[in-house]
Amino acid sequence: AQSVTQLGSHVSVSEGALVLLRCNYSSSVPPYLFWYVQYPNQGLQLLLKYTSAATLVKGINGFEAEFKKSETSFHLTKPSAHMSDAAEYFCAVSDNDMRFGAGTRLTVKP
Amino acid sequence: EAGVAQSPRYKIIEKRQSVAFWCNPISGHATLYWYQQILGQGPKLLIQFQNNGVVDDSQLPKDRFSAERLKGVDSTLKIQPAKLEDSAVYLCASSISGTGPKEQYFGPGTRLTVT
Repeated sequence: AQSVTQLGSHVSVSEGALVLLRCNYSSSVPPYLFWYVQYPNQGLQLLLKYTSAATLVKGINGFEAEFKKSETSFHLTKPSAHMSDAAEYFCAVSDNDMRFGAGTRLTVKP
Repeated sequence: EAGVAQSPRYKIIEKRQSVAFWCNPISGHATLYWYQQILGQGPKLLIQFQNNGVVDDSQLPKDRFSAERLKGVDSTLKIQPAKLEDSAVYLCASSISGTGPKEQYFGPGTRLTVT
Protein backbone atom coordinates (compact mmCIF):
# COMPACT_ATOMS: atom_id res chain seq x y z
CA ALA A 1 0.00 0.00 0.00
CA GLN A 2 1.18 3.48 -0.74
CA SER A 3 2.25 5.76 2.10
CA VAL A 4 4.41 8.76 2.93
CA THR A 5 6.61 9.49 5.92
CA GLN A 6 7.46 13.03 6.89
CA LEU A 7 10.67 13.27 8.88
CA GLY A 8 10.38 15.81 11.67
CA SER A 9 7.08 16.94 13.11
CA HIS A 10 8.52 20.40 13.81
CA VAL A 11 11.07 22.43 11.88
CA SER A 12 12.25 25.86 12.98
CA VAL A 13 14.28 28.20 10.76
CA SER A 14 15.30 31.83 10.88
CA GLU A 15 13.82 34.30 8.42
CA GLY A 16 15.93 34.25 5.26
CA ALA A 17 17.30 30.77 5.90
CA LEU A 18 16.83 27.68 3.75
CA VAL A 19 13.67 25.67 4.33
CA LEU A 20 13.95 21.88 3.93
CA LEU A 21 10.98 19.65 4.74
CA ARG A 22 11.55 15.93 4.21
CA CYS A 23 9.17 13.39 2.72
CA ASN A 24 9.79 9.76 1.78
CA TYR A 25 7.22 7.70 -0.05
CA SER A 26 6.35 4.07 -0.50
CA SER A 27 4.46 3.03 -3.59
CA SER A 28 4.29 -0.11 -5.73
CA VAL A 29 3.50 1.93 -8.82
CA PRO A 30 4.98 5.19 -10.15
CA PRO A 31 3.59 7.68 -7.68
CA TYR A 32 1.83 10.97 -7.97
CA LEU A 33 3.16 13.14 -5.14
CA PHE A 34 1.84 16.35 -3.65
CA TRP A 35 2.78 18.98 -1.10
CA TYR A 36 -0.04 20.88 0.63
CA VAL A 37 0.13 23.76 3.11
CA GLN A 38 -2.37 24.41 5.87
CA TYR A 39 -2.58 27.76 7.64
CA PRO A 40 -4.32 27.95 11.03
CA ASN A 41 -8.06 27.36 10.86
CA GLN A 42 -7.97 26.88 7.10
CA GLY A 43 -8.19 23.98 4.69
CA LEU A 44 -5.29 22.58 2.71
CA GLN A 45 -3.86 24.45 -0.26
CA LEU A 46 -1.84 22.78 -2.99
CA LEU A 47 1.80 23.95 -3.17
CA LEU A 48 2.98 21.67 -5.96
CA LYS A 49 2.58 18.23 -7.49
CA TYR A 50 4.71 15.61 -9.26
CA THR A 51 3.02 13.59 -11.97
CA SER A 52 5.98 11.83 -13.68
CA ALA A 53 7.04 14.74 -15.85
CA ALA A 54 10.03 16.86 -14.74
CA THR A 55 11.66 15.62 -11.55
CA LEU A 56 12.16 19.17 -10.24
CA VAL A 57 8.78 20.70 -9.60
CA LYS A 58 8.23 24.36 -8.91
CA GLY A 59 5.25 25.49 -6.91
CA ILE A 60 3.69 28.59 -5.47
CA ASN A 61 5.30 30.99 -3.00
CA GLY A 62 8.83 30.09 -4.11
CA PHE A 63 8.69 26.44 -3.04
CA GLU A 64 10.04 23.57 -5.08
CA ALA A 65 10.50 19.83 -4.65
CA GLU A 66 12.67 17.23 -6.32
CA PHE A 67 11.51 13.69 -7.04
CA LYS A 68 14.34 11.20 -6.43
CA LYS A 69 13.32 7.67 -7.30
CA SER A 70 16.57 6.13 -6.02
CA GLU A 71 15.97 7.66 -2.60
CA THR A 72 12.13 7.39 -2.72
CA SER A 73 12.09 11.01 -1.62
CA PHE A 74 10.19 14.17 -2.48
CA HIS A 75 11.66 16.84 -0.21
CA LEU A 76 10.26 20.38 -0.20
CA THR A 77 12.64 23.35 -0.26
CA LYS A 78 12.60 27.12 -0.33
CA PRO A 79 15.84 29.12 -0.55
CA SER A 80 14.79 31.91 1.82
CA ALA A 81 12.12 31.57 4.50
CA HIS A 82 9.59 34.32 5.09
CA MET A 83 7.52 34.87 8.21
CA SER A 84 4.39 34.15 6.18
CA ASP A 85 5.66 30.60 5.47
CA ALA A 86 4.88 29.55 9.04
CA ALA A 87 2.25 26.82 8.67
CA GLU A 88 1.69 23.05 8.64
CA TYR A 89 2.97 21.22 5.56
CA PHE A 90 1.67 17.87 4.35
CA CYS A 91 3.19 15.48 1.84
CA ALA A 92 0.77 13.14 0.09
CA VAL A 93 0.91 10.22 -2.35
CA SER A 94 -1.88 9.16 -4.65
CA ASP A 95 -2.83 6.62 -7.21
CA ASN A 96 -6.60 6.30 -6.73
CA ASP A 97 -6.88 7.64 -3.20
CA MET A 98 -4.68 10.20 -1.49
CA ARG A 99 -2.65 9.28 1.59
CA PHE A 100 -1.24 12.12 3.68
CA GLY A 101 1.77 12.21 5.95
CA ALA A 102 1.45 13.32 9.56
CA GLY A 103 2.60 16.83 8.71
CA THR A 104 5.51 19.09 9.59
CA ARG A 105 4.94 22.34 11.44
CA LEU A 106 7.25 25.07 10.17
CA THR A 107 8.15 27.91 12.51
CA VAL A 108 9.99 30.97 11.17
CA LYS A 109 11.93 33.04 13.69
CA PRO A 110 12.56 36.74 13.05
CA GLU B 1 -14.32 31.07 -8.70
CA ALA B 2 -15.96 30.22 -5.39
CA GLY B 3 -14.15 27.65 -3.29
CA VAL B 4 -15.43 24.68 -1.33
CA ALA B 5 -17.90 25.82 1.31
CA GLN B 6 -18.46 24.06 4.62
CA SER B 7 -20.71 24.69 7.58
CA PRO B 8 -20.73 24.98 10.46
CA ARG B 9 -17.13 26.02 11.10
CA TYR B 10 -17.23 24.93 14.73
CA LYS B 11 -19.44 22.54 16.67
CA ILE B 12 -19.39 21.40 20.27
CA ILE B 13 -21.58 18.48 21.32
CA GLU B 14 -21.78 15.96 24.12
CA LYS B 15 -20.97 12.31 23.56
CA ARG B 16 -23.86 10.22 22.29
CA GLN B 17 -25.42 13.24 20.58
CA SER B 18 -25.72 13.47 16.80
CA VAL B 19 -24.20 16.07 14.46
CA ALA B 20 -24.26 16.86 10.75
CA PHE B 21 -21.85 18.71 8.53
CA TRP B 22 -22.59 20.27 5.16
CA CYS B 23 -20.36 20.73 2.12
CA ASN B 24 -20.87 22.55 -1.17
CA PRO B 25 -18.11 21.70 -3.67
CA ILE B 26 -16.70 23.84 -6.44
CA SER B 27 -19.17 24.11 -9.31
CA GLY B 28 -18.56 21.42 -11.90
CA HIS B 29 -16.49 19.17 -9.65
CA ALA B 30 -17.92 15.68 -9.90
CA THR B 31 -15.77 14.13 -7.19
CA LEU B 32 -16.27 14.97 -3.52
CA TYR B 33 -14.25 13.75 -0.53
CA TRP B 34 -14.73 13.83 3.23
CA TYR B 35 -11.62 13.65 5.41
CA GLN B 36 -11.13 13.40 9.16
CA GLN B 37 -8.11 15.25 10.55
CA ILE B 38 -7.30 14.45 14.16
CA LEU B 39 -5.05 16.95 15.94
CA GLY B 40 -1.40 16.31 15.07
CA GLN B 41 -2.19 13.98 12.17
CA GLY B 42 -2.69 14.24 8.45
CA PRO B 43 -6.15 14.04 6.90
CA LYS B 44 -7.64 10.56 6.58
CA LEU B 45 -10.14 9.81 3.83
CA LEU B 46 -13.55 8.80 5.12
CA ILE B 47 -15.56 8.64 1.91
CA GLN B 48 -15.29 9.57 -1.77
CA PHE B 49 -18.23 10.30 -4.08
CA GLN B 50 -18.29 10.39 -7.85
CA ASN B 51 -21.41 12.42 -8.67
CA ASN B 52 -23.96 10.86 -6.28
CA GLY B 53 -22.35 7.41 -6.11
CA VAL B 54 -19.90 6.15 -3.49
CA VAL B 55 -16.46 5.28 -4.87
CA ASP B 56 -14.68 4.45 -1.61
CA ASP B 57 -16.03 4.27 1.93
CA SER B 58 -13.66 1.62 3.24
CA GLN B 59 -12.47 3.82 6.13
CA LEU B 60 -15.87 5.16 7.15
CA PRO B 61 -17.04 3.79 10.53
CA LYS B 62 -20.41 2.80 9.21
CA ASP B 63 -21.88 1.95 12.60
CA ARG B 64 -21.97 5.66 13.46
CA PHE B 65 -21.00 7.67 10.38
CA SER B 66 -23.11 8.19 7.27
CA ALA B 67 -22.79 10.45 4.26
CA GLU B 68 -24.91 11.27 1.27
CA ARG B 69 -24.74 13.31 -1.90
CA LEU B 70 -28.25 12.93 -3.22
CA LYS B 71 -28.21 15.26 -6.22
CA GLY B 72 -24.52 14.96 -7.02
CA VAL B 73 -23.70 18.42 -5.69
CA ASP B 74 -23.97 19.19 -1.95
CA SER B 75 -23.08 16.56 0.60
CA THR B 76 -23.77 15.94 4.26
CA LEU B 77 -21.76 13.88 6.73
CA LYS B 78 -23.51 12.69 9.89
CA ILE B 79 -22.26 11.18 13.11
CA GLN B 80 -24.74 9.40 15.37
CA PRO B 81 -23.97 8.81 18.19
CA ALA B 82 -20.76 10.76 18.63
CA LYS B 83 -17.85 9.49 20.70
CA LEU B 84 -15.03 11.42 22.35
CA GLU B 85 -12.57 10.12 19.74
CA ASP B 86 -14.59 11.77 16.98
CA SER B 87 -13.19 15.14 18.04
CA ALA B 88 -11.38 16.32 14.92
CA VAL B 89 -11.56 18.66 11.96
CA TYR B 90 -13.74 17.35 9.16
CA LEU B 91 -12.53 18.50 5.77
CA CYS B 92 -14.45 18.42 2.54
CA ALA B 93 -12.61 18.51 -0.78
CA SER B 94 -13.62 18.34 -4.41
CA SER B 95 -11.95 17.69 -7.75
CA ILE B 96 -12.74 17.24 -11.39
CA SER B 97 -13.26 13.67 -12.54
CA GLY B 98 -11.15 11.66 -14.98
CA THR B 99 -8.34 9.15 -15.01
CA GLY B 100 -5.37 9.58 -12.70
CA PRO B 101 -5.04 11.57 -9.50
CA LYS B 102 -6.50 15.04 -9.61
CA GLU B 103 -5.77 18.13 -7.55
CA GLN B 104 -8.16 18.32 -4.64
CA TYR B 105 -9.51 21.64 -3.47
CA PHE B 106 -10.24 21.80 0.25
CA GLY B 107 -12.80 23.70 2.26
CA PRO B 108 -11.94 25.40 5.57
CA GLY B 109 -13.19 22.44 7.61
CA THR B 110 -15.54 21.95 10.54
CA ARG B 111 -13.89 21.64 13.93
CA LEU B 112 -15.88 19.18 16.07
CA THR B 113 -15.38 18.93 19.81
CA VAL B 114 -17.10 16.07 21.62
CA THR B 115 -17.26 16.48 25.40
